[in-house]
Amino acid sequence: DTGVSQDPRHKITKRGQNVTFRCDPISEHNRLYWYRQTLGQGPEFLTYFQNEAQLEKSRLLSDRFSAERPKGSFSTLEIQRTEQGDSAMYLCASSLGRGVGDTEAFFGQGTRLTVV
Amino acid sequence: AQSVSQHNHHVILSEAASLELGCNYSYGGTVNLFWYVQYPGQHLQLLLKYFSGDPLVKGIKGFEAEFIKSKFSFNLRKPSVQWSDTAEYFCAVGTNAGKSTFGDGTTLTVKP
Repeated sequence: DTGVSQDPRHKITKRGQNVTFRCDPISEHNRLYWYRQTLGQGPEFLTYFQNEAQLEKSRLLSDRFSAERPKGSFSTLEIQRTEQGDSAMYLCASSLGRGVGDTEAFFGQGTRLTVV
Repeated sequence: AQSVSQHNHHVILSEAASLELGCNYSYGGTVNLFWYVQYPGQHLQLLLKYFSGDPLVKGIKGFEAEFIKSKFSFNLRKPSVQWSDTAEYFCAVGTNAGKSTFGDGTTLTVKP
């Protein structure tokens, strides 16, 4: 499968622990996006990268959240000191951006985080 | 700030019925509009998109959507649904395909 890959698919953690998720985008895609989706709601934008540069962060991304894309390929999203409110599906998407716009983003299957 | 409103949370139809899912958006600039579908257990997939030009957009699997600028709407339609169309449908608006504001989704159940 050459789509967007996310790992792990499911993560259960105790409150206060740190967790890290990984996203491998489609190989030639230069843009990578992270979203969060809670039950009954649509995905909410968190942050995005163009190559290795993090170009935008939503105010939803508190200081406990950090994302990296060190070589412009895969990306990691880390949540420190997890809280129950962090329980959600974390989605990654990638696209081939040219200039201002790009025409299609491809989503991974997500990592479902449960904080107990 | 952008916002997207999907009018129906859950729609139940019989096979062969016609479908229309409502989507209204609020956005101050040039809009790019999308409909995504999420089949049970699968990832979000793009159904169709509008960037410019003909306001009637055709997508995959027989879906189409009409952009009506004066009504800030981008409703999704299909003349005859199938059981396999059972899924969750999301409308989104954004400056590009990846950075979008999504609606809360409409769950479509098609009864055989």
